[in-house]
Amino acid sequence: ILNVEQSPQSLHVQEGDSTNFTCSFPSSNFYALHWYRWETAKSPEALFVMTLNGDEKKKGRISATLNTKEGYSYLYIKGSQPEDSATYLCATHSGAGSYQLTFGKGTKLSVIP
Amino acid sequence: NAGVTQTPKFRVLKTGQSMTLLCAQDMNHEYMYWYRQDPGMGLRLIHYSVGEGTTAKGEVPDGYNVSRLKKQNFLLGLESAAPSQTSVYFCASSYPSGRVGETQYFGPGTRLLVL
Repeated sequence: ILNVEQSPQSLHVQEGDSTNFTCSFPSSNFYALHWYRWETAKSPEALFVMTLNGDEKKKGRISATLNTKEGYSYLYIKGSQPEDSATYLCATHSGAGSYQLTFGKGTKLSVIP
Repeated sequence: NAGVTQTPKFRVLKTGQSMTLLCAQDMNHEYMYWYRQDPGMGLRLIHYSVGEGTTAKGEVPDGYNVSRLKKQNFLLGLESAAPSQTSVYFCASSYPSGRVGETQYFGPGTRLLVL
């Protein structure tokens, strides 16, 4: 069972602030890293899948970077809006070629209007 | 295209009762998964299936059984419910297209309370 850590556990930011949080994972046998956005009372929705060291992905005001050598990924949100309030999950595969995902506990973001 | 659906949305059971949670997907996905979500924990994999007629254990399989008789359906059974199985259960599916890092698509969840 992999150890996927996310920090911080939760944070509150003011509307308009930019923020970032971290996902740490074992760097050995890395296959891919997933970021999901999970709004309360809804299903987790995929944001990014990242596979290569140095990968950067962007979707609107949300972007992510990946460092597979040191085993971490950052998720950035620029100019946070109340609708960004959600729990952000990262997950990595349980070995090369495995379709099983191991999830972190998530970072709960609250954007205060 | 409904995606991944789960039935029921909410259920209360007494200790020792049995029930079956149904997951259905209309995306022709090969792979299906059952997770549980508990406070302070990440999503934990219970069982998964890589195709019709096949199932495998995940991280926390004890107390659960699964069946995949049809490609589009994945059933999770609790034979004798225990309070420790109070949780929110999520089903997910993915299509192994051969690309690295298949995205899993999640259902809306089933909230189960065992008294």
